[in-house]
Amino acid sequence: QKEVEQNSGPLSVPEGAIASLNCTYSDRVSQSFFWYRQYSGKSPELIMSIYSNGDKEDGRFTAQLNKASQYVSLLIRDSQPSDSATYLCAVKRETDSWGKFQFGAGTQVVVTP
Amino acid sequence: DTEVTQTPKHLVMGMTNKKSLKCEQHMGHRAMYWYKQKAKKPPELMFVYSYEKLSINESVPSRFSPECPNSSLLNLHLHALQPEDSALYLCASSQEVSQVDTIYFGEGSWLTVV
Repeated sequence: QKEVEQNSGPLSVPEGAIASLNCTYSDRVSQSFFWYRQYSGKSPELIMSIYSNGDKEDGRFTAQLNKASQYVSLLIRDSQPSDSATYLCAVKRETDSWGKFQFGAGTQVVVTP
Repeated sequence: DTEVTQTPKHLVMGMTNKKSLKCEQHMGHRAMYWYKQKAKKPPELMFVYSYEKLSINESVPSRFSPECPNSSLLNLHLHALQPEDSALYLCASSQEVSQVDTIYFGEGSWLTVV
């Protein structure tokens, strides 16, 4: 079982609609969760971080964390063509005094005009 | 613009060459990372430096040799690489390693081994 799992997509979303991305993780000691956006040929760019159960909103983005069910999700409201990218879920474990970021394989999002 | 700067952005090297990738950050971060990313794959952790000391080596072959000259600089020395080492090499930094914190990536160095 992979430590961090995401649907690879592509997730096709009409412009203006809500894109919903999911991520599950296997290690219960994980404490920090991040969503990165990566455009083709570019480096990952941080969008959101979330550490506590519940929702966290930042502009058009909402991250949701449920530690009991071991999943974290990202909602993109009013999707724009510029949101077309691969979204990487990252999970940080606080083990052995060192934090290690584990990345999911990413979900490709395509926003269609 | 990212505050983690990587050079060169593109590098083509032969299998017998010796080259280096360089990374610099001026955010006062005390942890720096090297990741390797192949096409359509997630970044894979290679090395972590914390307070200029190597704290994690993810069983990376010795043809990759990291170096942290000071808290702002991180190098990756390359020697006798194989074509399968061609990838995007990402440098990243974070304030601390053990705290709840975020890593920030540089723009990456595209490496092609011929």
